[in-house]
Amino acid sequence: DGGITQSPKYLFRKEGQNVTLSCEQNLNHDAMYWYRQDPGQGLRLIYYSQIVNDFQKGDIAEGYSVSREKKESFPLTVTSAQKNPTAFYLCASSIDEGRGEQFFGPGTRLTVL
Amino acid sequence: SQQGEEDPQALSIQEGENATMNCSYKTSINNLQWYRQNSGRGLVHLILIRSNEREKHSGRLRVTLDTSKKSSSLLITASRAADTASYFCATAPSGTYKYIFGTGTRLKVLA
Repeated sequence: DGGITQSPKYLFRKEGQNVTLSCEQNLNHDAMYWYRQDPGQGLRLIYYSQIVNDFQKGDIAEGYSVSREKKESFPLTVTSAQKNPTAFYLCASSIDEGRGEQFFGPGTRLTVL
Repeated sequence: SQQGEEDPQALSIQEGENATMNCSYKTSINNLQWYRQNSGRGLVHLILIRSNEREKHSGRLRVTLDTSKKSSSLLITASRAADTASYFCATAPSGTYKYIFGTGTRLKVLA
């Protein structure tokens, strides 16, 4: 089954802790993306990657970090520097950055206690 | 401010009726896409229309694009309860592929 998976589905974090959200795809896509969605809002781009070992900041990268060591994987770390991390996080992939259609994972809901 | 903004913010219709939602954007674009999101889930791609296209169909979906007005509309015909979801447009300014999503239209189809 081809697709994009995210784990965990729900994540709780204490203030001051770093947490890492997993995103894996077996679609052989080059481009991967992380978005944040707040209640009743659209998606905002955190980071994106066009190719292995390369990534660029999106519109709201502060307090987040990513890595792209493998084509299939694009984990997102929410650091303690992120002031308001409670949100729904969505990972997506596309064949390459120029092909518009994005395939989304099911999302991770992060709550800071 | 949003590159893409949907209108209306919320729409409630009876099953079998048509649903129309609109998207406006600010800059020249390569293409415009529409996505659907069921509550608490990821987004599902519905349709992509390129800047040189004016209309596109996919099943019960019809999308139009007016680049002179910087607007697009999504029409869902003969709506079903299963169409209840939020619908987002996504655009990327020409020369970039950083897609910007609007705040969405929440559609409720009543059985």
